[in-house]
Amino acid sequence: QKEVEQDPGPLSVPEGAIVSLNCTYSNSAFQYFMWYRQYSRKGPELLMYTYSSGNKEDGRFTAQVDKSSKYISLFIRDSQPSDSATYLCAMSAGNMLTFGGGTRLMVKP
Amino acid sequence: GAVVSQHPSWVICKSGTSVKIECRSLDFQATTMFWYRQFPKQSLMLMATSNEGSKATYEQGVEKDKFLINHASLTLSTLTVTSAHPEDSSFYICSAIPGTSGSGEQYFGPGTRLTVT
Repeated sequence: QKEVEQDPGPLSVPEGAIVSLNCTYSNSAFQYFMWYRQYSRKGPELLMYTYSSGNKEDGRFTAQVDKSSKYISLFIRDSQPSDSATYLCAMSAGNMLTFGGGTRLMVKP
Repeated sequence: GAVVSQHPSWVICKSGTSVKIECRSLDFQATTMFWYRQFPKQSLMLMATSNEGSKATYEQGVEKDKFLINHASLTLSTLTVTSAHPEDSSFYICSAIPGTSGSGEQYFGPGTRLTVT
């Protein structure tokens, strides 16, 4: 079993939809949680960074962490075609990141 | 802020030659940088951790004599692929951590696509 599980998708939604991306993990030592967006042939871009359980909102993006369930989510409101990318969850107990496999999202105009 | 650059963005080399890839943190100092490799439609695979002023720490299965890492300053780490072979063709990405943070907050470069012919 992988330490971090993420549905690979692809996830296809119409423009304007609310998107929900999720990861589950098994290592209870993880306390820092991140979401990265990666466009094709580009490096990952840090979207959201959260520490411990709770919600964090930044514009159209909301990150949720539920440490009791070992479950994290990223919500994208009013999705746009420009949001089409691969979304990677990542988590750590220190400096080393453990990544999910990535979810490919396609937002259709 | 927190910008990381890589050079070159794309390189083609002949089998048997060596290629150097540079990773720079442009607006912050980074004691620790990381080098990843990514195959198509796969997640990032950590190759090594680069620490300024000391030897890199390589992940299991990564040949340290083939992938030479030098972290010469707080803003520059280099990865040299020695005696490159076609199987080394891949997308190489570096990341850097601002300061001495232990919070896992890594910022990634744009990646370097290596093609070995």
